[in-house]
Amino acid sequence: EIVLTQSPGTLSLSPGERATLSCRASQSVSSTSLAWYQQKPGQAPRLLIYGSSSRATGIPDRFSGSASGTDFTLTISRLEPEDFAVYYCQQFGSSWTFGQGTKVEIK
Amino acid sequence: EVQLVESGGGLVKPGGSLRLSCEVSGLRFSSYTMNWVRQAPGKGLEWVSSISSSSTYIYYADSVKGRFTISRDNAKNSLYLQLNSLRAEDTAVYYCARRAIAAMDYWGQGTLVTVSS
Repeated sequence: EIVLTQSPGTLSLSPGERATLSCRASQSVSSTSLAWYQQKPGQAPRLLIYGSSSRATGIPDRFSGSASGTDFTLTISRLEPEDFAVYYCQQFGSSWTFGQGTKVEIK
Repeated sequence: EVQLVESGGGLVKPGGSLRLSCEVSGLRFSSYTMNWVRQAPGKGLEWVSSISSSSTYIYYADSVKGRFTISRDNAKNSLYLQLNSLRAEDTAVYYCARRAIAAMDYWGQGTLVTVSS
């Protein structure tokens, strides 16, 4: 089973700052098989990024994704108040596992 | 408008059974692979099971294999998850979600399953 390890566990930032979230795979994952989701308390997850770097419909361009080998990154260029949430990566290579999540909280 | 509406959750004793349903509208249900994903209280997301558009391909997480059964009725635009031999660790919100490309793009609001004596 491919394990996805997200870091950091919690990111404390202020609105307007840049957020960089990491997701590392334990084995090779195709860049076309990695997605990112945002989840707010009491809500279902929301798809942000698919194929490592393609934004889902309606997602603002301050969200971007990239891949390098087994390392995947979600970047939020300037945090808006509504961006404080938990973010998960997911791979669709072998089985369909999620990372444990990164919480982006207001500093 | 796309809607996925789960139902069937509730309180059940260890060893008991439940059947979850997910009714889908606003999209061509019969064309897509569908999934169940769960989230234990205060924890992260865990993929549970997947079923292809014509039910040809079915997959389960190791944690539920042999106990849970996924199915679908394309005529009713509905997805199901039969949960048997339930354990305390199965307590979670269960979401249904559509798979499109390599991501899950539409999600329901979830239904809570609580396993407790």
